[in-house]
Amino acid sequence: QKEVEQNSGPLSVPEGAIASLNCTYSDRGSQSFFWYRQYSGKSPEWIMSIYSNGDKEDGRFTAQLNKASQYVSLLIRDSQPSDSATYLCAVPRNNNDMRFGAGTRLTVKP
Amino acid sequence: DAGITQSPRHKVTETGTPVTLRCHQTENHRYMYWYRQDPGHGLRLIHYSYGVKDTDKGEVSDGYSVSRSKTEDFLLTLESATSSQTSVYFCAISVTGVYQETQYFGPGTRLLVL
Repeated sequence: QKEVEQNSGPLSVPEGAIASLNCTYSDRGSQSFFWYRQYSGKSPEWIMSIYSNGDKEDGRFTAQLNKASQYVSLLIRDSQPSDSATYLCAVPRNNNDMRFGAGTRLTVKP
Repeated sequence: DAGITQSPRHKVTETGTPVTLRCHQTENHRYMYWYRQDPGHGLRLIHYSYGVKDTDKGEVSDGYSVSRSKTEDFLLTLESATSSQTSVYFCAISVTGVYQETQYFGPGTRLLVL
């Protein structure tokens, strides 16, 4: 079992819809969770982090965490074609060893 | 880009040759990292540094060495390049925030080993 798992996609949503990206992790002791966005041919960009169970909102992005189910998700409201990218979930093993999922490719169709 | 540059940005080399990639940061961050990214595997940590001359291995360190003689520079060396080391290499730095340390990435180096 991989430490951090994501559906590779592609996930396709129409413009204006909500895109839901999911991630599961294996280490029950994990405390913090990160989402990155990566455009094709570019480097990963940090979007947001979450540490507590529940929802955390930042603009059109909402991160959701359920530690009991070892599940973290990212919702993108009012999806735009510019949101088309690969989204990476990351979970630190310790302060210095971040484990990344392979990423979910999102396509937002106009 | 969090003040991180990588050089070269693209490189083609032959099997068996040594290759050195450079990561340079301008903001005096203590922690620096080297990752490789391959389809289906995501980002995997090669080595990291927690200060000048202080380095440690990551998940996929075999065939790689690193050095950090100055805070701003972190070098990754492929001692004898192999085709399996064809990849995109990203350098990252860790920035300490109120609640967490967040990693920020450089622009990447595309390496092709023939």
